[in-house]
Amino acid sequence: SAVISQKPSRDICQRGTSLTIQCQVDSQVTMMFWYRQQPGQSLTLIATANQGSEATYESGFVIDKFPISRPNLTFSTLTVSNMSPEDSSIYLCSVEEDRGGEQYFGPGTRLTVT
Amino acid sequence: GQNIDQPTEMTATEGAIVQINCTYQTSGFNGLFWYQQHAGEAPTFLSYNVLDGLEEKGRFSSFLSRSKGYSYLLLKELQMKDSASYLCAVRDANSGYALNFGKGTSLLVTP
Repeated sequence: SAVISQKPSRDICQRGTSLTIQCQVDSQVTMMFWYRQQPGQSLTLIATANQGSEATYESGFVIDKFPISRPNLTFSTLTVSNMSPEDSSIYLCSVEEDRGGEQYFGPGTRLTVT
Repeated sequence: GQNIDQPTEMTATEGAIVQINCTYQTSGFNGLFWYQQHAGEAPTFLSYNVLDGLEEKGRFSSFLSRSKGYSYLLLKELQMKDSASYLCAVRDANSGYALNFGKGTSLLVTP
């Protein structure tokens, strides 16, 4: 399976600031997704990162708050904008090497907003 | 939308067998996934079923019945390190192939 890395692994940020999270894969993958896992909760999909076009957002998530880039088949970024304490969560990217195949998760970014 | 249900908590004894059930409702079923997640870590892929039947991988097996909207994860020869949260997730082709997760089953393995 693909090897996935995320940067940063964790961060503590102040209210009102923004943080960009990077997801790097060691091979080209068809699909990349961004999820959020709030404390004690299961995973919630934020958006599908589309290569060369705008991301597809789930209900409740908007581009102004969570802008996403995917410039190529191995890299994507998620920005958490104008942060509030409610954004404190683990943010995870996941990939599918082939559409409809197995889906694997990166190690996650633990974000705390004070 | 999708309804994915699994038990909140289970307890089992080291060396025993445990079965974690998952039921789901979806309009465009395209696969059912099981993940293991230890506290503070990312989910680890365990299994993926797209056709009916049993898939076996060492101590872990996963079963799927699409007509019943039902899956289970079977863990044999339980070890203490199997204490973790087990997440059932369904992929829906009508929702862009992303996964929708259940709330997870917290499994405690006792000596």
